[in-house]
Amino acid sequence: DAGITQSPRHKVTETGTPVTLRCHQTENHRYMYWYRQDPGHGLRLIHYSYGVKDTDKGEVSDGYSVSRSKTEDFLLTLESATSSQTSVYFCAISGADQGVIEQYFGPGTRLTVT
Amino acid sequence: AQTVTQSQPEMSVQEAETVTLSCTYDTSENNYYLFWYKQPPSRQMILVIRQEAYKQQNATENRFSVNFQKAAKSFSLKISDSQLGDTAMYFCAFMNRATGTASKLTFGTGTRLQVTL
Repeated sequence: DAGITQSPRHKVTETGTPVTLRCHQTENHRYMYWYRQDPGHGLRLIHYSYGVKDTDKGEVSDGYSVSRSKTEDFLLTLESATSSQTSVYFCAISGADQGVIEQYFGPGTRLTVT
Repeated sequence: AQTVTQSQPEMSVQEAETVTLSCTYDTSENNYYLFWYKQPPSRQMILVIRQEAYKQQNATENRFSVNFQKAAKSFSLKISDSQLGDTAMYFCAFMNRATGTASKLTFGTGTRLQVTL
């Protein structure tokens, strides 16, 4: 299994509070991604990173920001959580520059905003 | 923009039987990848199989094989000799072929497969 961890694995927070989810990889892959999974939608891309300090928006980026200060860590921040952001969040990595096209996923974080 | 459609929300198959999960996609690209991911109750996303669009030969991985019809934009997954451990949600996914760059996945909505005794 690819070395990807996510923390926390579960979180309950209140509307309006800031939340940061962490993704950590030990594969030294260049590309990292954040997805959210909701019933009836599959997984949708929030943000992705193509290197340290290099990030870009996905299809559902409103209300989220990201940062990548080290190759191994990719942070997803909800500046002011809303109930619509209750979801399961997955981090993924790929080494497309190394010929590893596939994306490998972390175990997911279940976030509940009350 | 690409879209991926899985028209079977739920399916059931008996142990040791064969089942086929359907997936269609829409794209104007010519070079791309297609994937099937499995998500068991543990929630972990597991890569099952991958197909390169430029390859005519259908991909196989043990009991899993695909039927890739490029002209029809169809990419079905066949599971042979189904096992209880195959019970999971299955997602079809599309990726543009752009080596050396961040290639994003577009997912279908999933098919929930139940394997019964």
